[in-house]
Amino acid sequence: NAGVTQTPKFQVLKTGQSMTLQCAQDMNHNSMYWYRQDPGMGLRLIYYSASEGTTDKGEVPNGYNVSRLNKREFSLRLESAAPSQTSVYFCASIQGAYGELFFGEGSRLTVL
Amino acid sequence: RKEVEQDPGPFNVPEGATVAFNCTYSNSASQSFFWYRQDCRKEPKLLMSVYSSGNEDGRFTAQLNRASQYISLLIRDSKLSDSATYLCVVNLPNDYKLSFGAGTTVTVRA
Repeated sequence: NAGVTQTPKFQVLKTGQSMTLQCAQDMNHNSMYWYRQDPGMGLRLIYYSASEGTTDKGEVPNGYNVSRLNKREFSLRLESAAPSQTSVYFCASIQGAYGELFFGEGSRLTVL
Repeated sequence: RKEVEQDPGPFNVPEGATVAFNCTYSNSASQSFFWYRQDCRKEPKLLMSVYSSGNEDGRFTAQLNRASQYISLLIRDSKLSDSATYLCVVNLPNDYKLSFGAGTTVTVRA
């Protein structure tokens, strides 16, 4: 079982470049999330999608956009990357609001 | 004030020892509580949910103290494989925005 799949796993960007992180889940979960994790900061919510067709801002949405393409896929876009967006990005999904969160393996992004 | 706060540690303990640590949450309306485990450079994985009555899963015991607004995790008979960062997760009713603590690092030494 694939679970939650994120691509790419590693990426190096120059300041000002754009890119999209892809996430897909095969568990038929309604809700999907994008988090970033920085040393000492824990996981911070960027955006989430409670259900197909809806997206909402989390704690740190500035500089990011998302698309819930369908029930399976939830992408995160950096329009103009900045060094402050160097981080590890995790996609996650959950069936309801109270169940187990399943995470992808993470995408390590460096912005020079 | 952060919604969820944890002692970052690290807790360095010998094999076989008991280690315990807490996580405090700021919103008294919080309803769901979880402990996740994260190994170095890996994704977090659910360790256990925390129920009002407390619950145990093998060597791991989780407790909830609503009056003082904290949850705890106790690990008995520590193994080298328990070395990890333990993340506390809290959720409000009907809220999809689960809040994570920054994590408590546990290192078990031989």
